[in-house]
Amino acid sequence: QLLESGGGLVQPGGSLRLSCVASGFSFSDYTMSWVRQAPGEGLEWVSGIGGGGPATYYADSVKGRFTISRDNSKNTLYLQMNSLRVEDTAIYYCAKKGVGMADSWGYFDPWGQGTLVTVSS
Amino acid sequence: EIVLTQSPGNLSLPPGERATLSCRASQSVNNNYLAWYQQKPGQAPRLLINGASYRANGLPDRFSGSGSGTDFTLTISRLEPEDFAVYYCQQYGSSPLTFGGGTKVEIK
Repeated sequence: QLLESGGGLVQPGGSLRLSCVASGFSFSDYTMSWVRQAPGEGLEWVSGIGGGGPATYYADSVKGRFTISRDNSKNTLYLQMNSLRVEDTAIYYCAKKGVGMADSWGYFDPWGQGTLVTVSS
Repeated sequence: EIVLTQSPGNLSLPPGERATLSCRASQSVNNNYLAWYQQKPGQAPRLLINGASYRANGLPDRFSGSGSGTDFTLTISRLEPEDFAVYYCQQYGSSPLTFGGGTKVEIK
């Protein structure tokens, strides 16, 4: 239901754009997020965007460098990543907000399979 | 920011045993908005529990969640071979959303 793409190897300071194509649900009705996992580490909520688009969240670690967006006509979520750092190396998962909880960014269900971003010289 | 501390970090048990995983929050989780996920090697996390105690669709009833406020527990009543994995808790009662560091359940 969620299929990410766009990961790869990039040098420090470089850019990448991740995409996540959704299917099987009414994409525009749901808040979507990016969650990352560095190799051998835990999970970190990186960014989120409301169903209609205006509301966004960025973790302090990526604020000013990453931009989340969505194209509801294409059922696609994006993450533009600029000024990449070695510490941004991780699997990036796209995730849909669970049902309910109008007052929360929510839990995540389902998750995509992830796309690996490696930042290295 | 709410910090979630999971314990133990590693849990080694034989199949058939009961597993009890803890997730403690640094402050009260609003509305008991606490989720649990299972992650197997090379796979994405999978939702198990939301709202502290509500099982995801199709989840076997050997999995149960409990707790409120700052202390939450995931219990697996009888471990099956497919249950050996890493388990994460996540709070969504306040922003930013945060995850615990995980508990790895291993076969003994």
